[in-house]
Amino acid sequence: GENVEQHPSTLSVQEGDSAVIKCTYSDSASNYFPWYKQELGKGPQLIIDIRSNVGEKKDQRIAVTLNKTAKHFSLHITETQPEDSAVYFCAASRSYKLSFGAGTTVTVRA
Amino acid sequence: EAGVVQSPRYKIIEKKQPVAFWCNPISGHNTLYWYLQNLGQGPELLIRYENEEAVDDSQLPKDRFSAERLKGVDSTLKIQPAELGDSAVYLCASSNRDPGELFFGEGSRLTVL
Repeated sequence: GENVEQHPSTLSVQEGDSAVIKCTYSDSASNYFPWYKQELGKGPQLIIDIRSNVGEKKDQRIAVTLNKTAKHFSLHITETQPEDSAVYFCAASRSYKLSFGAGTTVTVRA
Repeated sequence: EAGVVQSPRYKIIEKKQPVAFWCNPISGHNTLYWYLQNLGQGPELLIRYENEEAVDDSQLPKDRFSAERLKGVDSTLKIQPAELGDSAVYLCASSNRDPGELFFGEGSRLTVL
């Protein structure tokens, strides 16, 4: 099955700086790569996703890049704000079955 | 539009006791998932429903876990008997596109003493 590794496990950034989270996957047939944000006591919420037919996607301060050859994808958050503090999960799938990474706890320092 | 609703939010039971979790998905979403989330980990799929049919239950420990989705809407996940290792958050999600966005509920946190 698919194996997704996520790094780093924790990330502390100064407000206004950028945050980058990296994930690798094992199944070359995976074609869908979403990122979820989970706040304390809440369920995960989709923030951005990318499909394998594109290499990059951007939505305001959030961007995701995909390198199919190397089988890795990354989340970039620019101009971080305190409300960006949360746990972020990457995931990969080739059908409905998402395999999630272990998560990155992001703390934005004011 | 209401999101995915789960209950109870928190449940504390002693080992060997039964427990049940309920989920009401977003209206019109035919696909429903139950995920298990251990502390410090990402969600892991337990079971997936298409309408009332369980189309993937390969990760569900069938000796103690059971699930149903009557009439293809609400779903119930049951554990009997519960073990200490079952302490976790049980997340329900629904979607209307595969693969596509999963809409998660807030989860049911189980503590087994």
